[in-house]
Amino acid sequence: NAGVTQTPKFRVLKTGQSMTLLCAQDMNHEYMYWYRQDPGMGLRLIHYSVGEGTTAKGEVPDGYNVSRLKKQNFLLGLESAAPSQTSVYFCASSSTGGRLAPLHFGNGTRLTVT
Amino acid sequence: EDKVVQSPLSLVVHEGDTVTLNCSYEVTNFRSLLWYKQEKKAPTFLFMLTSSGIEKKSGRLSSILDKKELFSILNITATQTGDSAVYLCAVEAMNYGGSQGNLIFGKGTKLSVKP
Repeated sequence: NAGVTQTPKFRVLKTGQSMTLLCAQDMNHEYMYWYRQDPGMGLRLIHYSVGEGTTAKGEVPDGYNVSRLKKQNFLLGLESAAPSQTSVYFCASSSTGGRLAPLHFGNGTRLTVT
Repeated sequence: EDKVVQSPLSLVVHEGDTVTLNCSYEVTNFRSLLWYKQEKKAPTFLFMLTSSGIEKKSGRLSSILDKKELFSILNITATQTGDSAVYLCAVEAMNYGGSQGNLIFGKGTKLSVKP
């Protein structure tokens, strides 16, 4: 019963490097989300997807790109990492359309950019 | 600008105490308010509230929403050390991010329960 799985769990990047964070869910959920969590800032939405092949910007999308080629996977890319992107990244999914259902979160990816 | 404000930001109590966590919000086109508990990793869902005055309960936890005064409270009775966590409040606002309602999170309340 995996739920939402994020890989990797930890990563250290140098400024300017690129990487992709992978999120996979096995609950057949339509909606998927990427959040970042910083001390004193709460959870902030980066990008989200309402179904396979769709993506949309959230509150803090700059410096990130996403893709949803398969329903179960949602990828978050950093093309040129910056120290300001040091954060804990959470992926989440939910089932519903009209009325937002509770989010199911992954365990997070801790990213440090030096 | 839509916002969700939680108070207090942190709280230290002893086992057996009762605590009340607060969440106030200002959003356009409110749809629902949710509470999550976050221990070391992923936030886990506690309650979803959509109607005023109807209490949701789960064991020692309960929550209620006041849509007129725009706030919600989360009560925990007879606290235990296992209740130590960050409690997150989130509000679904229909117009945020476009046609799809998305969650706006508060900064959380860090609860520490001492033995």
